[in-house]
Amino acid sequence: AQSVTQPDIHITVSEGASLELRCNYSYGATPYLFWYVQSPGQGLQLLLKYFSGDTLVQGIKGFEAEFKRSQSSFNLRKPSVHWSDAAEYFCAVGAPGGGGNKLTFGTGTQLKVEL
Amino acid sequence: GAGVSQSPSNKVTEKGKDVELRCDPISGHTALYWYRQSLGQGLEFLIYFQGNSAPDKSGLPSDRFSAERTGGSVSTLTIQRTQQEDSAVYLCASSLQNELGTQYFGPGTRLLVL
Repeated sequence: AQSVTQPDIHITVSEGASLELRCNYSYGATPYLFWYVQSPGQGLQLLLKYFSGDTLVQGIKGFEAEFKRSQSSFNLRKPSVHWSDAAEYFCAVGAPGGGGNKLTFGTGTQLKVEL
Repeated sequence: GAGVSQSPSNKVTEKGKDVELRCDPISGHTALYWYRQSLGQGLEFLIYFQGNSAPDKSGLPSDRFSAERTGGSVSTLTIQRTQQEDSAVYLCASSLQNELGTQYFGPGTRLLVL
């Protein structure tokens, strides 16, 4: 069965600093990987996804992530964090089948941005 | 509609009562998913619909949980004889038909069982 580990429960960064959120996955085949963001009182919003091809994927809001098969990782990065990026971030791996894609989520990383 | 909608947004019920949670997917999305977000378990998959059929019900935690989808659109998640451990946020997502479709999430229904 697939699993996702987000080792950092909380991260605090200063506005303007760079950010990297870690994600490690376990899956038997080529994974479908996702990063979602959840702001207080908001639903989950997709930041970016990786299915195949170029291992560096660009997403919305200036985020990017790099798929590293050898490390089973899909870390999320942003060069310069804005105060509005404060939210909870979830990494997920998809298990395609039956025409659908069941997502398994990590436990999330809560990002705090200091002004 | 513009996005996935869920109702009610909040539900408080007494232990032992039945509850129904509703999800309206994005128009034209044939795939529909239910997830649960709770403090103890994080975000977990419950059930997936393709049209009106449910190829994957593997995440339903017990036989007290059931779901249906009618007309390839609206879905209802029913929890019978609710227990306190059912308290959670229930999230619905929809996507276009194939496995590569992005899942768009609704705002969720926050369920509290007293």
